[in-house]
Amino acid sequence: RKEVEQDPGPFNVPEGATVAFNCTYSNSASQSFFWYRQDCRKEPKLLMSVYSSGNEDGRFTAQLNRASQYISLLIRDSKLSDSATYLCVVNRRSGNTPLVFGKGTRLSVIA
Amino acid sequence: SAVISQKPSRDICQRGTSLTIQCQVDSQVTMMFWYRQQPGQSLTLIATANQGSEATYESGFVIDKFPISRPNLTFSTLTVSNMSPEDSSIYLCSAARFSYEQYFGPGTRLTVT
Repeated sequence: RKEVEQDPGPFNVPEGATVAFNCTYSNSASQSFFWYRQDCRKEPKLLMSVYSSGNEDGRFTAQLNRASQYISLLIRDSKLSDSATYLCVVNRRSGNTPLVFGKGTRLSVIA
Repeated sequence: SAVISQKPSRDICQRGTSLTIQCQVDSQVTMMFWYRQQPGQSLTLIATANQGSEATYESGFVIDKFPISRPNLTFSTLTVSNMSPEDSSIYLCSAARFSYEQYFGPGTRLTVT
């Protein structure tokens, strides 16, 4: 079983749609969780950290369920500029340690 | 967040040669890492660059092939040695301060012919 698994995608959605990405992780000792966004031929950029209480940043909402080892990202009112690959990322130990990346889910928002 | 630069941004190299990639951070960071991203794949960690000591390599990566230096808190280099076409990839440096959030450099796109 892969350490971080994501929806295979791609997701093709119209502008204004709501889209949700799911992710599961296998290591129950994982400490911190993130969503990164990667545009084509660019480096990953941190979109948001994911907290146990859930967190929201504008149109983006992230949720964490430690019991199920499940992370989600919800994007409301999709914009064309949201088209990118979304990477679910887990820090498997405490402190500043290497990140484990999912393969990513590609989102295309179409006009 | 930290601002990270990498040099070169891209290179085309011949089989059997070596390339050194530089990573510079605009301020002191606690941790620096090197990742590889092969076409269509996600990121794979190569090693953690430790300041003043040998890097910590992940399974499948060895010092002879990927020597790493980190002489101070803001700079690291990764060398890809004795290159083969299988080494064609994007190499990314990342850095973190005291939070757990990591930031990435723009990457070095390497093609080995």
